[in-house]
Amino acid sequence: DILLTQSPGTLSLSPGERATLSCRASQRVSNYVAWYQQKPGQAPRLLIYDASNRATGIPARFSGSGSGTDFTLTISSLEPEDFAVYYCQQRGNWPHTFGQGTKLEIK
Amino acid sequence: QVQLEQSGPEVKKPGASVKVSCKASGYSVSSYSITWVRQAPGQGLEWVGCLGAYNGDTHFAQNVQGRVTMVTDSSTNTAYLDLSSLTSDDTAIYYCARGGAARRLDFWGQGTLVTVSS
Repeated sequence: DILLTQSPGTLSLSPGERATLSCRASQRVSNYVAWYQQKPGQAPRLLIYDASNRATGIPARFSGSGSGTDFTLTISSLEPEDFAVYYCQQRGNWPHTFGQGTKLEIK
Repeated sequence: QVQLEQSGPEVKKPGASVKVSCKASGYSVSSYSITWVRQAPGQGLEWVGCLGAYNGDTHFAQNVQGRVTMVTDSSTNTAYLDLSSLTSDDTAIYYCARGGAARRLDFWGQGTLVTVSS
């Protein structure tokens, strides 16, 4: 199975700051990585698919990059509603594993 | 608009089976893959398996292989997850999501809590 390792585990930032979240795959997955946001008590929400494509309705402050084994989710200027847990997922190989998540908390 | 409406919470005893439903609206459930994802209390997301559209191919996580069935019913536009031989490790919120295989998970159900307890 492909292992996705997200870093950091927790990221403490203030509104207006820039957030950079990392996802590293144990094998190459081409660009088949998606990013999801999850808030307490809610289902995950798709943010980015195929490494760099924003999903419908996702604000432009969210961007994704990377290919192969290293991927990044960037939030250019944090809004209060962005504080949540973020997961990456790969669909390059079965099973389509998730990373363990990065918690983005208010500093 | 696309929506996925899941069945209500379940409490099961160890060794029992559970069936979770996921009713789609706004699209045909037979036209897209369906993926099931679960989340144990306080834990991260765990991919459970995927049912492909058209060809019906399935792929499952190793820890549910042999215990899981995934089907869709076109007449009711509903997807089902059936999990047997339940243990406490299966206690989780189970989510259905549209997509998988060659496609992102773009719409999600609200989740179904399955509790396995004696």
